[in-house]
Amino acid sequence: GQNIDQPTEMTATEGAIVQINCTYQTSGFNGLFWYQQHAGEAPTFLSYNVLDGLEEKGRFSSFFSRSKGYSYLLLKELQMKDSASYLCAVRDISQAGTALIFGKGTTLSVSS
Amino acid sequence: EAGVTQSPTHLIKTRGQQATLRCSPISGHTSVYWYQQALGLGLQFLLWYDEGEERNRGNFPPRFSGRQFPNYSSELNVNALELEDSALYLCASSLAWTGGAGTEAFFGQGTRLTVV
Repeated sequence: GQNIDQPTEMTATEGAIVQINCTYQTSGFNGLFWYQQHAGEAPTFLSYNVLDGLEEKGRFSSFFSRSKGYSYLLLKELQMKDSASYLCAVRDISQAGTALIFGKGTTLSVSS
Repeated sequence: EAGVTQSPTHLIKTRGQQATLRCSPISGHTSVYWYQQALGLGLQFLLWYDEGEERNRGNFPPRFSGRQFPNYSSELNVNALELEDSALYLCASSLAWTGGAGTEAFFGQGTRLTVV
């Protein structure tokens, strides 16, 4: 089966940097994804990692280590609009085919 | 280009009834996924359809079923509704997986199902 762990809640202030960690255990790993979900809205795709290393996209970066079963999402220069839930998901082809299996999400609150 | 669309936006049913939820994927996407997002539980994988076939299902009872039509749109049916089925039901679509990047899933806005 799968086990995906991430913190339930985090708080930060505008302009700061925040790191959201995700650890996973799967048997048929084939990709790790991060999504952002604002309250009442659909999740939107942020990043995809399958090779070790850091992927950078503007203010958002995602780091991945397959041997450690670990990823983090780094958000820089935080803005109020970054207040949302951040979902870590893995593709485990041995369990759910190409469907993504999600963690419970980390609710980030950004204050001024 | 239109994104993933779901209907209805909201649905209220009484316990024991059946609910039907609909999803239209992004044009060119052949895979459709259904998820349940109940309060405090995160997104739970329900069903995966590809090329008209059910490819996999999550840990849900058989009263959760669905189908995919030749135009790749999909229906989720929930029979014998229970109060605990109240949740946001999200549909996502993706290109057929070829083993690499570019097969992220895109989500619709969801159907809020309330069972009373």
